Amino acid sequence: EAEVAQSPRYKITEKSQAVAFWCDPISGHATLYWYRQILGQGPELLVQFQDESVVDDSQLPKDRFSAERLKGVDSTLKIQPAELGDSAMYLCASSPPSARSYNEQFFGPGTRLTVL
Amino acid sequence: SQQGEEDPQALSIQEGENATMNCSYKTSINNLQWYRQNSGRGLVHLILIRSNEREKHSGRLRVTLDTSKKSSSLLITASRAADTASYFCATANNAGGTSYGKLTFGQGTILTVHP
Repeated sequence: EAEVAQSPRYKITEKSQAVAFWCDPISGHATLYWYRQILGQGPELLVQFQDESVVDDSQLPKDRFSAERLKGVDSTLKIQPAELGDSAMYLCASSPPSARSYNEQFFGPGTRLTVL
Repeated sequence: SQQGEEDPQALSIQEGENATMNCSYKTSINNLQWYRQNSGRGLVHLILIRSNEREKHSGRLRVTLDTSKKSSSLLITASRAADTASYFCATANNAGGTSYGKLTFGQGTILTVHP
């Protein structure tokens, strides 16, 4: 069964360092999402891609976060510099083609980030 | 910001009992979805109910939607220890434009089923 892949699964870094997370969505899924989930809360959308284009990054802290999906397939989320408050689970999800279809989203296992 | 509020925040029951979780939201929606998350893992989609539907079933799951009250409930019947997880509701709103497909999640209900 096709799955969303994420790496690394765990990342420990010191504040002010740079970190990067990678996501490979299910093949053929045009829409890709990055979420941040703070412990004890629901996921919050950081950025949404349709193919290689960003369609929503309104909640992305652009002074330190960046995301790209250059070929419209896999994606990278970067934080530079990391801050203590960035400690969270970073989840990637994808959904089938068509930005106008209200489909379920398929989530990867997440990357647990700890900033010391 | 999160749209949904879930109730209760935590629920503890015995195996075999039914579990009911509630979700309220604020804006008009296209659909409402329920997801499950095991500790430290990603979310798994359980069920989707569209705004023109009132009830939907899937196996031991029953979801209701009341758009007039902007609320939904998830019922898990004959619970099992393996149902222990966090359960989240998520709404897809009707705003259109770049909001297509965007989900807004609630805070979640932590369900513990004791064997």
